[in-house]
Order: sequence, then structure tokens, then C-alpha cells
Amino acid sequence: DAGVTQSPTHLIKTRGQQVTLRCSPKSGHDTVSWYQQALGQGPQFIFQYYEEEERQRGNFPDRFSGHQFPNYSSELNVNALLLGDSALYLCASSIYGAGIYNEQFFGPGTRLTVL
Amino acid sequence: AQKVTQAQTEISVVEKEDVTLDCVYETRDTTYYLFWYKQPPSGELVFLIRRNSFDEQNEISGRYSWNFQKSTSSFNFTITASQVVDSAVYFCALSVSSNDYKLSFGAGTTVTVRA
Repeated sequence: DAGVTQSPTHLIKTRGQQVTLRCSPKSGHDTVSWYQQALGQGPQFIFQYYEEEERQRGNFPDRFSGHQFPNYSSELNVNALLLGDSALYLCASSIYGAGIYNEQFFGPGTRLTVL
Repeated sequence: AQKVTQAQTEISVVEKEDVTLDCVYETRDTTYYLFWYKQPPSGELVFLIRRNSFDEQNEISGRYSWNFQKSTSSFNFTITASQVVDSAVYFCALSVSSNDYKLSFGAGTTVTVRA
């Protein structure tokens, strides 16, 4: 049973560029959430996708956008990269509406460095 | 709004010592869930334990135990007889029903277990 997978593992970009990160959820999961974890901090919620729609959004600018595909996989796009976007980006999958059973499984993350 | 505070930034112990990690949370919701995650150097968040707001029974699972006290809004976590492999960053997290259970993390506590 494959867990959550993310690609690429590492990425180096320069300021102003655009980046796309990818996530495949755990088998049987239909919801994908994205988190940003800056160095030395806890993960911060970016947004959540279910049924190919953004269901919730954290306090992140519109430069951060996403997409979910019919197979439940998801992409995170960041435009006009800033130095402050350097972080570990974590993807988590879960089952929508599972309530008390809603456990999020995390992927290994993508380390983004903006120079 | 939800908030999780982990006052301890770093803890260093010698192998076989017990380690207790503190977590204080804030929420106005009456239905919520508390989690502890472990993040080893590889970066992936590993789920450890979950507790819901209606169950204050404290339990032990192997070398892990937790102390949930609603009266003080605390959810402390103890590793008994620590091992070098326990070295990691530990995060306390909160999810609430009114927020579709997105996770709010504390800043994390770095645990170093020395041989």
C-alpha cells in the first residue's frame, strides 16, 4: 500500500520564477492538503483540495495556487517566487468527511530553495 | 482561532531517560482533536497519537504516554526510556470540527537523545 508520495524531493529556483510541486495521495484517500514548513517552524496550512476544488485556504497570498486531478493527485503552484518561499512543502492526504477518523498522512515533502 | 504552544524549543537527554514534551492549546470549539507528530531528519511527519476532546483518559502505548487535561488545555507527551532513534522534532497539533479538521501545529520541540 503506497503512502503519500511527493515530487521532486529538492528544488532550487531563483526569485521571480514559478514552481510546481506534485503530490499523490495514499490509496483510498480523496483529499489533499498542502502545508509550508519554514526552517525551525511548524507546518502552516496552505489549502485543501477535495473533488477538484479548493475547500479551505490558510493565510497565503494568491501567488499560491493548486489543482486536484480526477485521480485525486494534486499540484501546488507558486508564482513570482520570493526568498521567503524557501521551505519544506508537505502534502497530506485524508478521507473527506471522515470526522473523528480524519487522520492525515504526510508525504516526505519537497525542499524548495529560492536564491 | 486555534493556537498551539510548545514552550520547549530543545530538550537533550541521555539514553534511557524519560522525556516529557509540553503542549498547550487554545480553541473555542468543544469538538477538537489533538495530535503528536514526530519529524525525523528525513522530513516526513510521522503520526504518533491522537486524542479527541471527549476522552480525557490518559493512556500508554509502548514507550509513549500522554496526559490530556482539558482544565489546563494541555496535552503533554512522554517518551519513556528514550533511545537514540527518538531524536527528532516533535510537533503537537490541533484540529477542530468547525475548521474541517485542518491541522494547526505548534513550533515543535527538538529532542536529542545522546548515547
